[in-house]
Amino acid sequence: EDQVTQSPEALRLQEGESSSLNCSYTVSGLRGLFWYRQDPGKGPEFLFTLYSAGEEKEKERLKATLTKKESFLHITAPKPEDSATYLCAVLNAGGTSYGKLTFGQGTILTVHP
Amino acid sequence: DVKVTQSSRYLVKRTGEKVFLECVQDMDHENMFWYRQDPGLGLRLIYFSYDVKMKEKGDIPEGYSVSREKKERFSLILESASTNQTSMYLCASSHGNTIYFGEGSWLTVV
Repeated sequence: EDQVTQSPEALRLQEGESSSLNCSYTVSGLRGLFWYRQDPGKGPEFLFTLYSAGEEKEKERLKATLTKKESFLHITAPKPEDSATYLCAVLNAGGTSYGKLTFGQGTILTVHP
Repeated sequence: DVKVTQSSRYLVKRTGEKVFLECVQDMDHENMFWYRQDPGLGLRLIYFSYDVKMKEKGDIPEGYSVSREKKERFSLILESASTNQTSMYLCASSHGNTIYFGEGSWLTVV
C-alpha cells in the first residue's frame, strides 16, 4: 500500500527565515509526486509535479526536489502570504491512468511578519 | 486557467435527507473525482469517473453514489445523509497526471 508521510505537522517561521518541508513516500513504482497548497476553507491549488529522482521545479519562493524516497519543498525568504497547508501526494505507476493519488496529512506553515 | 466549480459552498442538511453535490469543469477533462477531507484523515477518494456514464469506486464509497451524464458535470449523491458524512467535499478533474481541485463544499448533517 502506498504511503506518504509529511513532516513537520506544523512549522512557524519568521518572515525571511528560509526552511524546508519534507515528504517521505513508499510506492510500488512512482509515476509522479505532486505538491499542492491549500488555504483555509479552500480546495488544494496545484503547485508542482516531479517525475524522477534528481528533478527540481521552482515557482517564486518555492523549490521542490525529489529523491527516490522523499521530496522537499524549500521555501526561501518566506512572506506571510506563503502561510497555508502544503500537501504532498504520489501517483502509483501500477495504478490506473486516471490519476488516483495518495495524499499525506499536510504541513501547516505559518509565516509571521 | 483550469476551472472546477462546485455549485454549493455551504450546506446544512438533516439526517436521512437525500443530498446532491454538483461539480462542473470547463477544461474538457476526461477524468473527474470526488474526495472528502477530514481533520486527521486527510483527503480520501470516494468515487471517480473516467468517461461519461463510467464510474469506479474509490477508497470510501459506502453511503455515496455518483452520476456523470455529461462530460463536464459530475454529481455526488448521498442517498440518506448521516451525521458521519459531515465533511468538506472536494471535486476535481484531471488531464494526464495532474489533478485540479474545486473550492470545496462544506456539508453539515444535523
